[in-house]
Amino acid sequence: AQKITQTQPGMFVQEKEAVTLDCTYDTSDPSYGLFWYKQPSSGEMIFLIYQGSYDQQNATEGRYSLNFQKARKSANLVISASQLGDSAMYFCAMRRLLTGANSKLTFGKGITLSVRP
Amino acid sequence: NAGVMQNPRHLVRRRGQEARLRCSPMKGHSHVYWYRQLPEEGLKFMVYLQKENIIDESGMPKERFSAEFPKEGPSILRIQQVVRGDSAAYFCASSPDSGTENTEAFFGQGTRLTVV
Repeated sequence: AQKITQTQPGMFVQEKEAVTLDCTYDTSDPSYGLFWYKQPSSGEMIFLIYQGSYDQQNATEGRYSLNFQKARKSANLVISASQLGDSAMYFCAMRRLLTGANSKLTFGKGITLSVRP
Repeated sequence: NAGVMQNPRHLVRRRGQEARLRCSPMKGHSHVYWYRQLPEEGLKFMVYLQKENIIDESGMPKERFSAEFPKEGPSILRIQQVVRGDSAAYFCASSPDSGTENTEAFFGQGTRLTVV
């Protein structure tokens, strides 16, 4: 079974500063993928970034980067130069990687981020 | 290329009625997933379907809930005899056949079901 843990209370960050959102996971699968999604108040789920368990380098996508520490089973999201539009709920998720097949996502409970002007 | 389309966006049902939620995947996608989100919670997997087949229904409640993805038309999540505890946001996601292992799931806007 897979489990994602996001235990931070609501996070606050000053505009233009960096912020780290924590995510730890547990799985017995040898290969897995880790995802971060953003859910603004409008409710849609927006994909941000992906990290494969076998990737040697941490993933980056624009202002988003993933601090992947496999031994600690953590996949923290770093947002640099925060913007007011970053205020949202952020979900960490994972899925088993199956050759030639798709599989479901397992989500954490999410972290609320508020960016202060 | 339209994204994942879910309708209705908001649905109000009285206890005991049936709720039908529709999901049209992105063009070229034949994998559909349904998730449920309770207030202040993350998304919980319900069911994974390919055209005409249920691949994984390990997250579906045993009673009152069913899902289908016919050869033609949208995927339908059906909830019979709704109860107040069914009130939630229901999200549909799709992914392509030719997806690589890092293929993200593309989500629809969700259907907010309120049972009164």
